[in-house]
Amino acid sequence: DAKTTQPNSMESNEEEPVHLPCNHSTISGTDYIHWYRQLPSQGPEYVIHGLTSNVNNRMASLAIAEDRKSSTLILHRATLRDAAVYYCILRDLNSGGSNYKLTFGKGTLLTVNP
Amino acid sequence: NAGVTQTPKFQVLKTGQSMTLQCAQDMNHNSMYWYRQDPGMGLRLIYYSASEGTTDKGEVPNGYNVSRLNKREFSLRLESAAPSQTSVYFCASSVRRNTEAFFGQGTRLTVV
Repeated sequence: DAKTTQPNSMESNEEEPVHLPCNHSTISGTDYIHWYRQLPSQGPEYVIHGLTSNVNNRMASLAIAEDRKSSTLILHRATLRDAAVYYCILRDLNSGGSNYKLTFGKGTLLTVNP
Repeated sequence: NAGVTQTPKFQVLKTGQSMTLQCAQDMNHNSMYWYRQDPGMGLRLIYYSASEGTTDKGEVPNGYNVSRLNKREFSLRLESAAPSQTSVYFCASSVRRNTEAFFGQGTRLTVV
């Protein structure tokens, strides 16, 4: 399975942008890049996903490198409520394989300072 | 919109006792999952159900059984609880097995 590498922790100040990096050098052509986050004492929450092009939604933006070996989750204005563990996950959207696993690594713990 | 609902939220069991964790989703999703999360570790898949009537083992199925009662409900049963099963259990659902998943709030289980 293609793996991802994320920093263990990052810090940001409130109302500033945050760029959370993820390396996935062994990504395959059919792997989508998914991001989830887990707030304290809650279940994981889907944030965004993409394949090749940059993606935007109400929560965040996803910037994908041209070679797809890395991506960056962008929170445009961090709030205290964005403090969470952020997980970068690869999911093969082909119908075969063990893609149901949704394998979580340890993610990046984001601390937001007031 | 309730999403994914898990019951109970907290439970303490004695070693050897049995219990069933309940999970229900109201999003008409086909796939449902059970995960456990231990301190300092990521979520690990226990069992998975692609659709009503089907279940598959995940990474850590030993000591657990599941039932996909209908499209909405997916229960996880511990037949004889052990301290090693102390964990936070999350249920999740998705439209299909390879689309984004929605998670419940978790059940904190302690086995003493």
